[in-house]
Amino acid sequence: AQKVTQAQTEISVVEKEDVTLDCVYETRDTTYYLFWYKQPPSGELVFLIRRNSFDEQNEISGRYSWNFQKSTSSFNFTITASQVVDSAVYFCALIDSGNTPLVFGKGTRLSVIA
Amino acid sequence: NAGVTQTPKFQVLKTGQSMTLQCAQDMNHNSMYWYRQDPGMGLRLIYYSASEGTTDKGEVPNGYNVSRLNKREFSLRLESAAPSQTSVYFCASSEIVTGKQPQHFGDGTRLSIL
Repeated sequence: AQKVTQAQTEISVVEKEDVTLDCVYETRDTTYYLFWYKQPPSGELVFLIRRNSFDEQNEISGRYSWNFQKSTSSFNFTITASQVVDSAVYFCALIDSGNTPLVFGKGTRLSVIA
Repeated sequence: NAGVTQTPKFQVLKTGQSMTLQCAQDMNHNSMYWYRQDPGMGLRLIYYSASEGTTDKGEVPNGYNVSRLNKREFSLRLESAAPSQTSVYFCASSEIVTGKQPQHFGDGTRLSIL
């Protein structure tokens, strides 16, 4: 069965610091997809990125970057030069090829202090 | 650009009352989902509907029923509400169950049961 672990429950940083959110996953399948979602204080869930298991290229989108490493079963998320607007709960999620719907980690609450 | 619409946004019930949460999507998605979010637990899947006419149990189905009314609408019913069902409920949809496309979420329903 698939599983997602986000060991960091809460992180607090000062504005402009870089911060990395960890995500470790478990699956027996060779085909799977990983996701990151953001939940700001307003409560909605915002899709950030999807990555399939065959694409290990790191991705950068502005201040956001994602490091996918199959060797360590990790899909970590880095925010560079954090801003107060980055304060949110971030969820990592996994779906494998077994048609079992998305499994979420428990989330990491990021607080960026001005 | 409505996306996924959930009603109501807030509700307070007494123990033993019944209630139906409504969800509608306008993206022509085949698959729809109901999650509950509790502090420190992340999102847990209650039920999902891979396609119109089908429904399946998720991780925490006890105490709930669902109806896939048509392709657009997927409702969640609490027949006899219990305080343990106090939570934030999210509806989501995706083109299909597999991970080739992300799930899109509604804004949530905050449900309190006294």
